Order: sequence, then structure tokens, then C-alpha cells
Amino acid sequence: GESVGLHLPTLSVQEGDNSIINCAYSNSASDYFIWYKQESGKGPQFIIDIRSNMDKRQGQRVTVLLNKTVKHLSLQIAATQPGDSAVYFCAENEGGTSYGKLTFGQGTILTVHP
Amino acid sequence: DAGITQSPRHKVTETGTPVTLRCHQTENHRYMYWYRQDPGHGLRLIHYSYGVKDTDKGEVSDGYSVSRSKTEDFLLTLESATSSQTSVYFCAIRAIMGETQYFGPGTRLLVL
Repeated sequence: GESVGLHLPTLSVQEGDNSIINCAYSNSASDYFIWYKQESGKGPQFIIDIRSNMDKRQGQRVTVLLNKTVKHLSLQIAATQPGDSAVYFCAENEGGTSYGKLTFGQGTILTVHP
Repeated sequence: DAGITQSPRHKVTETGTPVTLRCHQTENHRYMYWYRQDPGHGLRLIHYSYGVKDTDKGEVSDGYSVSRSKTEDFLLTLESATSSQTSVYFCAIRAIMGETQYFGPGTRLLVL
């Protein structure tokens, strides 16, 4: 899950394993969610998104699951590769703004060992 | 990086000096954003723009100003830099019909 302190949650996996990264979001009215990947020294990179009228969405090697009952979002990465090592964070669009306000989690550090 | 460039990529400056960061996009997106990223805080919105000469404040706008005289450029100015503005600054864009924000590569700013 997300952390409010200076120390981000970490997940360490072996190459080829499946990874699951979790995010607890704050606003039950949020209607759109995004997962980003951020490699060291780079900008956040869009991975996958999901709307609140869905509970699952699949991309290439990634799946996002949304549980609105408990306000929980997860990102599953299949057959994790060393290149997947990065910080992953979720963002929620709380709605109600014209400019598309996003609220970001602080992230989880994923380390993939060869 | 969705056609977004930021300049400079790295800058070291002294307290009290003005600093301007530039964000340039090539895809004619209407919405542009400036964020700062700091340990323990995640990404926080400084200012955003919804068109040429149309800008508004985000959650951490004190000490910052912005300008957008052309669709493709969004400038962030620190009028008098302070050490608390040492951070990594990201520009983002959003297409008018979409909700996803796409980020530039970032500018690492150190204020001594």
C-alpha cells in the first residue's frame, strides 16, 4: 500500500514472478484511476487506467483491479522483468474540477532480481 | 514523453535569484500542468493552464508564477528562489477529451 512517510513500501521479486502492487485511494467519489511507473531520473510514465464503472482492465502484461467497496486499487504485472524495476504509484481523479485534478499516491518501489 | 520537453534539465542557483523553467509540447494540447515532487509528498500541483493566457493556482502555488503566451509553451517562474523550492519539477499535459496526464522528463532544481 501507499505510505505517508519518507520510506516508500517496497516489493522485491524474482524475474519471471508475478507482482502485485497495491494502492488505497481516499475519495469514494473518484471516478477515474491511473497507474504510473517512474524510473530513476525520469518522469512518470502512464501504464494503465480504469474507470469506476469497471472492476478490471487488462493491458500488455499488466492488469488493474478496482474494489470500490474498500477503496482499493491494485496493479498486477505478469512475468516481471528487470526492466520493470521502478517506483509505481496510483492517481485518482476525484471529479468535480474542470481541469482534471489528480491526487497522487507516493508509490511503491519494485525491485526485480535476475 | 508524449512530445513534452523541459528545459533546463538541471539547474543550480542561489537563494534570492529568479529562475524560469520551460515546458514545451508539440501536440497542441490544451491543458498543461506544473508539479513538484519531493520525498514524502508525492506529486503536488503548483499551477495549471487551460489555454493561452488562462492559468490558475494549484495546491502549492506560493512563491511561483506561470505564463502561457503560446499553446506550446508553459513557463514556471520562481521570483526569488528559496531553499525550500529545491525539488524536481515536472510538466504534464492533458488532451481536451481525455483525463490522463502525461509527464515530461523533469527539471532537477537545487537552490543553495
